[in-house]
Amino acid sequence: DIVMTQTPLSSPVTLGQPASISCRSSQSLVHSDGNTYLSWLQQRPGQPPRLLIYKISNRFSGVPDRFSGSGAGTDFTLKISRVEAEDVGVYYCMQATQFVTFGQGTKVEIK
Amino acid sequence: QVQLQESGPGLVKPSQTLSLTCTVSGGSISSGGYYWSWIRQHPGKGLEWIGYIYYSGSTYYNPSLKSRVTISVDTSKNQFSLKLSSVTAADTAVYYCATGVAGTTSSWGQGTLVTVSS
Repeated sequence: DIVMTQTPLSSPVTLGQPASISCRSSQSLVHSDGNTYLSWLQQRPGQPPRLLIYKISNRFSGVPDRFSGSGAGTDFTLKISRVEAEDVGVYYCMQATQFVTFGQGTKVEIK
Repeated sequence: QVQLQESGPGLVKPSQTLSLTCTVSGGSISSGGYYWSWIRQHPGKGLEWIGYIYYSGSTYYNPSLKSRVTISVDTSKNQFSLKLSSVTAADTAVYYCATGVAGTTSSWGQGTLVTVSS
């Protein structure tokens, strides 16, 4: 199994300030088709998860441009340029290169 | 965008089979390129992938659950289903259905809580 490890597990952030979440995989996420199937999901309290970013850096439809993804191979990052109140929730990285596995989740809360 | 809705019993007895259905609206389950997934979330915990069925009918299951899981599609009803056998309290969770093209889960159902208890 590919193990996904997120850091930090909790991130208190001041409104308007940036936030960054790291995700490391236990092996390369480059698929044999050349794509890297690394996504980021947001789960607001009491809601199902929502896709934010797919294939490392592609924002899904309707996702604000303050969210961005980067990385390659085994190391990936989600950045929120300026945190807003509606960004509170748990963020998961997800790999779908070999079956599907998720990171443990990072809780973003307002200081 | 496709909408998904889970349905099924909220309470299942230990050792029995959990059965859930996901009804798809706003699109066809026969659409090419889509993976139809089941994912669960134990209370207060993270996400666990159960498995998915490709539009072609091929299935892929989490190795840790593979011996107990069956995912199937009913194209006539535009639905796909999950069966998880020999359940225990450890299978108590919110179960989500989701879909997307390769490597994504772009649409999710609202989730349904299934409790395993006698």
